Amino acid sequence: GAGVSQSPSNKVTEKGKDVELRCDPISGHTALYWYRQRLGQGLEFLIYFQGNSAPDKSGLPSDRFSAERTGESVSTLTIQRTQQEDSAVYLCASSSRASLQATDTQYFGPGTRLTVL
Amino acid sequence: GNSVTQMEGPVTLSEEAFLTINCTYTATGYPSLFWYVQYPGEGLQLLLKATKADDKGSNKGFEATYRKETTSFHLEKGSVQVSDSAVYFCALGSSGTYKYIFGTGTRLKVLA
Repeated sequence: GAGVSQSPSNKVTEKGKDVELRCDPISGHTALYWYRQRLGQGLEFLIYFQGNSAPDKSGLPSDRFSAERTGESVSTLTIQRTQQEDSAVYLCASSSRASLQATDTQYFGPGTRLTVL
Repeated sequence: GNSVTQMEGPVTLSEEAFLTINCTYTATGYPSLFWYVQYPGEGLQLLLKATKADDKGSNKGFEATYRKETTSFHLEKGSVQVSDSAVYFCALGSSGTYKYIFGTGTRLKVLA
């Protein structure tokens, strides 16, 4: 596609439910990032994929959070047993080079706004 | 560790006013520096970047110069428009790490 897409754009769920957020990166981009943006705050790094591998998962807030990527393309971020503090905008970004070079431009999706009631 | 500090907002200006949003950083080595902009209801998009000291990034009338001596990358625009109203994020990236560091963002509101 022309840009990074994310779905759903909005998700309202009840506390305790599981949610799955999807990211479609720009075709050919091997690096993929997930961030969380709480209201009025900056971007919080969650996880990075290099191809289908996630070298560092230490940014995930708790073991309720997991992410996977398949075919060096689509990625899903899953939050189990959601809590109210999970409410935030979840942003996905991709870039063309998968390496230890955080110098390339990231291309962001529009985000998924998650509201946990 | 690496860090980015941005001036707190919101910044409210009248149309055609001069804009400065301060950004300073702490990093080892020679990072790349970015300004991203987030318009209402949209995702972040790159505004400009600079990859080495004394480089000036520019786009849409915005400029920022990579100053290694003051570890700064301040964003400037000579004459803002209502359409510039958005949140601006300063970010840093380095060789040897995949992690980008973002500032907390500065909200700009331009009044007609």
